[in-house]
Amino acid sequence: AQKITQTQPGMFVQEKEAVTLDCTYDTSDQSYGLFWYKQPSSGEMIFLIYQGSYDEQNATEGRYSLNFQKARKSANLVISASQLGDSAMYFCAMSLNQAGTALIFGKGTTLSVSS
Amino acid sequence: SAVISQKPSRDICQRGTSLTIQCQVDSQVTMMFWYRQQPGQSLTLIATANQGSEATYESGFVIDKFPISRPNLTFSTLTVSNMSPEDSSIYLCSAQRGAAGAEAFFGQGTRLTVV
Repeated sequence: AQKITQTQPGMFVQEKEAVTLDCTYDTSDQSYGLFWYKQPSSGEMIFLIYQGSYDEQNATEGRYSLNFQKARKSANLVISASQLGDSAMYFCAMSLNQAGTALIFGKGTTLSVSS
Repeated sequence: SAVISQKPSRDICQRGTSLTIQCQVDSQVTMMFWYRQQPGQSLTLIATANQGSEATYESGFVIDKFPISRPNLTFSTLTVSNMSPEDSSIYLCSAQRGAAGAEAFFGQGTRLTVV
């Protein structure tokens, strides 16, 4: 069965430091996509970054990078130079390479950034 | 990307009443989904909204409680019927364009409180 595991309920980081949020996944499919979303207290889901299973290079989007280790089935999110506005819930999610499948979400990690 | 307008953004409702949530996408999308996010929890898929036919519900969710419509490729509604305090959650609609591994776009969410 497909599953996303986020083992860190909460993470704390100081402003300007880097932080890594862990995500492991389980699927027998060869073709899949991995996503990270940010959910601030307002409740909206903000797309951060995407990694396809066949992408050879790690995805990067500004201060966000995805550390993709396919053999380990991990897709950790790295946020560089943390900002106070990064404080939010972060979800790792997976989509399967099949038409009509919804995203599968992990339980999320709450990130708190302090000054 | 696609822009999804979801309304209402929040509501406080009396138990036993029903609320209809609307989701409008600014362009045609293949798939639309409805999620529930209970307080402090991850996103749980309620159903896939199928254009022109009955929605496909996940285990634990039934049409009588969560009727869904999708009359065209850009619009869907979710009704939460005969509400109880246990229905207090954030409800999110999501849209995906194309098939395999497509990014999911989210509406702003509806924060529902049942009293």
